[in-house]
Amino acid sequence: QVQLVQSGPEVKKPGASVKVSCKASGYTFTNYAVIWVRQAPGQGLEWMGWISTQRGSTSYAQKFQGRVTMTTDTSTTTVYMELRSLTSDDTAVYYCARVAIGGWHNDYWGQGTLVTVSS
Amino acid sequence: QSALTQPRSVSGSPGQSVTISCTGTSSDVGGYNSVSWYQQHPGKAPKLIIYDVNKRPSGVPDRFSGSRSGNTAYLAISGLQAEDEADYCCCAFAGSYTLMFGGGTKLTVL
Repeated sequence: QVQLVQSGPEVKKPGASVKVSCKASGYTFTNYAVIWVRQAPGQGLEWMGWISTQRGSTSYAQKFQGRVTMTTDTSTTTVYMELRSLTSDDTAVYYCARVAIGGWHNDYWGQGTLVTVSS
Repeated sequence: QSALTQPRSVSGSPGQSVTISCTGTSSDVGGYNSVSWYQQHPGKAPKLIIYDVNKRPSGVPDRFSGSRSGNTAYLAISGLQAEDEADYCCCAFAGSYTLMFGGGTKLTVL
């Protein structure tokens, strides 16, 4: 069955970086792109960016340009999202989600990773 | 890039119907057929319930339906059940490999 399993919770200090992983299984990894979305406490979903698992090409939300890097490792069927220069505003649950073929909807989601930024 | 506009909350009694709106622009909601809706219960990951404006994934009850008029998409839920109480969020493709989400709507089943 299709699964996206994310890495565990993180606690970081302001100014630090965090790298969250998303391991895919149960399907042909390179056939599906992945997006990253975050959700601050009590807030809605916020799209961060998209990565092609086949080519490694990326598209980032303007808000995160220069501060986020998404990468893919086809040998381990894992996608990574690194966010740098963290502030308390980056405290959120970060989700990866698979992009369905032929569309832009997200049919499978990871369980979420809580990143807490606190001094 | 501003979020798509949704009402913060809606409510209805069991058995009733509710509709949630999602307003964007001609560059996102109104510009492409890639509008989707997600249901999210507290502490859980979002679940896809509508895609491509009005299509339902396998397993999603037909009580859930989607539509669009101009730059506004709608999610309608009929025959409300207690388990429908959740947050609902719309999402639209905005061109150039970008997506936009709505701010989310909390549905309360009275």
